[in-house]
Amino acid sequence: EAQVTQNPRYLITVTGKKLTVTCSQNMNHEYMSWYRQDPGLGLRQIYYSMNVEVTDKGDVPEGYKVSRKEKRNFPLILESPSPNQTSLYFCASSLRGDYQPQHFGDGTRLSIL
Amino acid sequence: TQLLEQSPQFLSIQEGENLTVYCNSSSVFSSLQWYRQEPGEGPVLLVTVVTGGEVKKLKRLTFQFGDARKDSSLHITAAQPGDTGLYLCAGRYSGAGSYQLTFGKGTKLSVIP
Repeated sequence: EAQVTQNPRYLITVTGKKLTVTCSQNMNHEYMSWYRQDPGLGLRQIYYSMNVEVTDKGDVPEGYKVSRKEKRNFPLILESPSPNQTSLYFCASSLRGDYQPQHFGDGTRLSIL
Repeated sequence: TQLLEQSPQFLSIQEGENLTVYCNSSSVFSSLQWYRQEPGEGPVLLVTVVTGGEVKKLKRLTFQFGDARKDSSLHITAAQPGDTGLYLCAGRYSGAGSYQLTFGKGTKLSVIP
């Protein structure tokens, strides 16, 4: 089954403790991206990747890192999480970075105390 | 950061009524997509529009792209309770950074039986 898989689905952690949210897709898509969704602010793009070893900032990249060492994986790294990064995070992929449909994962709800 | 204004933010209507959701920007889109999101899930693509003036239909949903490619609308005819959800427009802008995807804040639709 074609899908985008995020892990974990839920995480409660403390300020400053490094964490990684993994994202994997099995559709051989070139384009992958990360979003955060907050009430009243909608979905905002954090980082995106056009292909392996090619990443670029979205609208809200501060406090996040990403890497794209393999085509299928696009982890989101929070080196020193802070409470303002408490949010619902979505990973998405598409065949290319143009008008192709984005396929979203089911989300990761992250709470930073 | 490009701004994509979506209205209304909330909409509660009776089953059988018609409704229209709007998505506007001061900049030109290279493409625009409409997504629907259910609670606890990631957004799912409904349609992509690329050409100015384009109209696409998906059963009772009609999507229109403005002639100048700066606005779009989603019209639902005879709404049903199954249409309840969060509707999101997302645009890619022409020019630099055109691989970045910007979402509107969404329209939360409730259709009352």
